[in-house]
Formats: sequence, structure tokens, C-alpha cells
Amino acid sequence: DAKTTQPPSMDCAEGRAANLPCNHSTISGNEYVYWYRQIHSQGPQYIIHGLKNNETNEMASLIITEDRKSSTLILPHATLRDTAVYYCIVRVAGADGLTFGKGTHLIIQP
Amino acid sequence: DGGITQSPKYLFRKEGQNVTLSCEQNLNHDAMYWYRQDPGQGLRLIYYSQIVNDFQKGDIAEGYSVSREKKESFPLTVTSAQKNPTAFYLCASTTASYGYTFGSGTRLTVV
Repeated sequence: DAKTTQPPSMDCAEGRAANLPCNHSTISGNEYVYWYRQIHSQGPQYIIHGLKNNETNEMASLIITEDRKSSTLILPHATLRDTAVYYCIVRVAGADGLTFGKGTHLIIQP
Repeated sequence: DGGITQSPKYLFRKEGQNVTLSCEQNLNHDAMYWYRQDPGQGLRLIYYSQIVNDFQKGDIAEGYSVSREKKESFPLTVTSAQKNPTAFYLCASTTASYGYTFGSGTRLTVV
């Protein structure tokens, strides 16, 4: 699996857009970018995934650079409930299991 | 509503005892997974199963065992051979290439 690099922590003001970066410079052509988040003492929650096109759903947007070596997860209007650890994972679709690193601890400030 | 149910939420075990963690899903997902999470760390894969009556070791399978007799159920047994079993255990399931659905976890403490 391609390795990902995320900042260990970030702050964002409530109501503003939270932009979480992820570097995956060794990503291969058939690997997807997945984003999950984990609120303290709960199971991770799927947010979004993409291959090369930008994606948007009701939770977030995923922007993948043209060379696919990095991506950004955007929470358009962060709320206090968005405080969580966010994991960026690169994986071949249908592969066996996901590898979770330490992620980014996003703290939304009131 | 469909989802994954893990039980119990908290579990205490004496050293030297085996203990079984339950994971049930009603999502009709083929694949199921067990992960372990230690404080401040990411998730590590213990075992996974893609079809009934078949399962594969993950990265840290030593000291654990699983079974997959039904599509809906994937119990994990933490055996006495697991040297440091105190952790947060998460079960997940998925179809094909889509997002994984996780349970709410079981926190196991060895006393």
C-alpha cells in the first residue's frame, strides 16, 4: 500500500471550512484515496473516497491533485461535532482490510 | 436500521482466560474484519473473512482466533496466548470496494 502523511493535529474555527491535507506521493494507478474519521471511543466512520476525480457528498468534498500525489478533505462548515481524528488511507479497491495510521486530530474551536 | 453490533461494550478478563467478542451485521456484507486499537494509535488488522467458512490472518493474528460459520457473525476470541490483550477492538464489514462500516467497539481490560 502507498504510505500517507498527515499532520498530527489541526485547529479550525467553528463555521469555517476545515481543509485536511494528505500526501501520498507513492500512490499507484489503481489505488483509491479513502477518508474516515473517528470520534473518541467510537468506531471509525466512512466519509468519502475517490480515484482521480474530485468527489462530493453530504459530509465533505475530496480534492485530488492531478498527479494524485496529494489530496485534501474539505468540511465546508465545521461544527464542534466534527472534532475527531481523520484518517487518510490509500488502498486498492476490494483489497483485504485498510491500514490506518495515526491520522490528523482536528479540533474545532468555538 | 442496518449496521454492525458489537458486544459487550466493556469487558474485563482475568489473566490466563480466553474471552470471546461478538460481532453481528445485518448489512448482508460479505467481508468482515477485526481490528485492534491501542491508545493514541491507528488500527491494526487482526483477522478478516471474505466468505463464510473462510478467514485470513491480518498483521497481528498471534493470540487471537476467529470463526465465520454464518455470514452475519464473526466472533473474535482473545486467547491466553495474547501477551497484551488490553485494547479497543473494532469489527467492520464491507461489500466489494465500497466504504467500510464499523461497529462501536469493545474495550477489553485484563485485570
